[in-house]
Amino acid sequence: DQQVKQNSPSLSVQEGRISILNCDYTNSMFDYFLWYKKYPAEGPTFLISISSIKDKNEDGRFTVFLNKSAKHLSLHIVPSQPGDSAVYFCAANNTNAGKSTFGDGTTLTVKP
Amino acid sequence: KAGVTQTPRYLIKTRGQQVTLSCSPISGHRSVSWYQQTPGQGLQFLFEYFSETQRNKGNFPGRFSGRQFSNSRSEMNVSTLELGDSALYLCASSLITDYGYTFGSGTRLTVV
Repeated sequence: DQQVKQNSPSLSVQEGRISILNCDYTNSMFDYFLWYKKYPAEGPTFLISISSIKDKNEDGRFTVFLNKSAKHLSLHIVPSQPGDSAVYFCAANNTNAGKSTFGDGTTLTVKP
Repeated sequence: KAGVTQTPRYLIKTRGQQVTLSCSPISGHRSVSWYQQTPGQGLQFLFEYFSETQRNKGNFPGRFSGRQFSNSRSEMNVSTLELGDSALYLCASSLITDYGYTFGSGTRLTVV
């Protein structure tokens, strides 16, 4: 039973446009959500997070939206840049459980 | 400050052998988690240590084990290696477990 799902394995967008990456979860005990970016041959790097008490968190070009009733979160990148091309992982925490559950990742390609 | 250091970066082993991977977390980080990433798969949780105690364990066979030392450095061991154990093994540390992880670059294990 996969508790965190990223249904789109890949996404391609034009430079300057918006990238929207989606993530769905099933466990209602998750209360903290994170996005990571991963380049080849490197470990994932933390990008942005959101607590379940909020529905939006913004950091520069990156905004994460959380819809608790739908158990859905999304990452918006505006404007997208070629350097954003990477694999993006969604992760969810149950802060009482002490571990992060990751999705399978979405490969974003931003074309110049 | 120094990031999460994993050694070795690359490893080739034959079936039936055992292997030990090492992880040095960021100074002051007491939580260390291990993940396995295989092609087409997300990050699969192996285990998490906090203050030398294993707090969480994923759904991996008993051939996978780990430990954490008093200086927070961690090791994971895989015995009786199988071809399917070929993967990127990532170590991540965090100050407390409900914040974002900092990942190392990983150890690429190939079993032949």
